[in-house]
Amino acid sequence: DQQVKQNSPSLSVQEGRISILNCDYTNSMFDYFLWYKKYPAEGPTFLISISSIKDKNEDGRFTVFLNKSAKHLSLHIVPSQPGDSAVYFCAAKATGTYKYIFGTGTRLKVLA
Amino acid sequence: GAGVSQSPSNKVTEKGKDVELRCDPISGHTALYWYRQSLGQGLEFLIYFQGNSAPDKSGLPSDRFSAERTGGSVSTLTIQRTQQEDSAVYLCASSGAGETQYFGPGTRLLVL
Repeated sequence: DQQVKQNSPSLSVQEGRISILNCDYTNSMFDYFLWYKKYPAEGPTFLISISSIKDKNEDGRFTVFLNKSAKHLSLHIVPSQPGDSAVYFCAAKATGTYKYIFGTGTRLKVLA
Repeated sequence: GAGVSQSPSNKVTEKGKDVELRCDPISGHTALYWYRQSLGQGLEFLIYFQGNSAPDKSGLPSDRFSAERTGGSVSTLTIQRTQQEDSAVYLCASSGAGETQYFGPGTRLLVL
């Protein structure tokens, strides 16, 4: 039972364009969400978070959008840079719990 | 150092041998997590520590897996009688008062 799904295993985008990474969840109790970026041979690095009281959070080139009714969140990277090429994981948890549920990741490749 | 560290970075072992993986969390972080990432998969939760106690061991795949944490700091994940399906990247993360988990670089375990 995969509670957090990233249905696109890979995505290629031209440098300078927008990258949109999607994540769907099934558990309506989830109210805190994170995005992580992972380079090969390194651990995941925290990128940006959003709680369910918001529908958007922005940090520089990175924006996360949350659609609670659709149980969907997305990460927008604009403009995309070659250094953004990595695997991106979304993770979700419910208030009062400690366990994050991770998606399977989307490999982003930004083409120069 | 300021981040989460893990050792060894790589471990090759023979089927049936025991292995010990170590995690040094960020100083002052009370929560510590172990995850496993198998090839092409997302992060699989193994165990969570709050201080030295582990309220949730439900993610441990079998009784060959055990973990402990001493002094509210260093944690060791032990796999006894390793099997080939144990081959994966084992990731440790810690968190403080906030919701964000900070990951170490992982230990790549290969069981021959």
